[in-house]
Amino acid sequence: SAVISQKPSRDICQRGTSLTIQCQVDSQVTMMFWYRQQPGQSLTLIATANQGSEATYESGFVIDKFPISRPNLTFSTLTVSNMSPEDSSIYLCSVTKGADTIYFGEGSWLTVV
Amino acid sequence: GENVEQHPSTLSVQEGDSAVIKCTYSDSASNYFPWYKQELGKGPQLIIDIRSNVGEKKDQRIAVTLNKTAKHFSLHITETQPEDSAVYFCAARAPGGATNKLIFGTGTLLAVQP
Repeated sequence: SAVISQKPSRDICQRGTSLTIQCQVDSQVTMMFWYRQQPGQSLTLIATANQGSEATYESGFVIDKFPISRPNLTFSTLTVSNMSPEDSSIYLCSVTKGADTIYFGEGSWLTVV
Repeated sequence: GENVEQHPSTLSVQEGDSAVIKCTYSDSASNYFPWYKQELGKGPQLIIDIRSNVGEKKDQRIAVTLNKTAKHFSLHITETQPEDSAVYFCAARAPGGATNKLIFGTGTLLAVQP
């Protein structure tokens, strides 16, 4: 398995501000992902964080709103920019270990007021 | 692209009974099917997974079955306990491309009544 630490675990943010979420893994991993889980909903992939290059975004998500960094094989950040109440969600970091097993962190619970 | 449907959305069982959650997928090329358990206030936890070359997999009280022809897979929990109460998500992954992208079902809220 993988130990995935996310910071912050929770935050209440003012609309119009930006927040950066950090994800640290206990070992090097090939792939890191960021998911969003809106209240009472399922998980939606935001982007794949690529080490040393720009992230790959899914349809409906753009770099200006969700800039992502991945400076090495154990760390990534997701920024939620210019937040609105609609951005209130759980943001989850996930990683691939082995061929295709995917593990999740505990999530960062954001409330935008 | 892949689409995953999950049923039921809520399931209430008595402690000791069995619970079954079913998922269907659309992409016949999908080859990996994990199940996650999400307790309140926590991230999703991988509980079991199955690959397309296997029809059934069991781990203690939890089992998953896969029917590739019908494109559906199911989670079976036997002898349910109150601590099994959580939201369960199924997912499917299609091969190809540069990512291991999982498509998730809509989730099942399982309540085990003591």
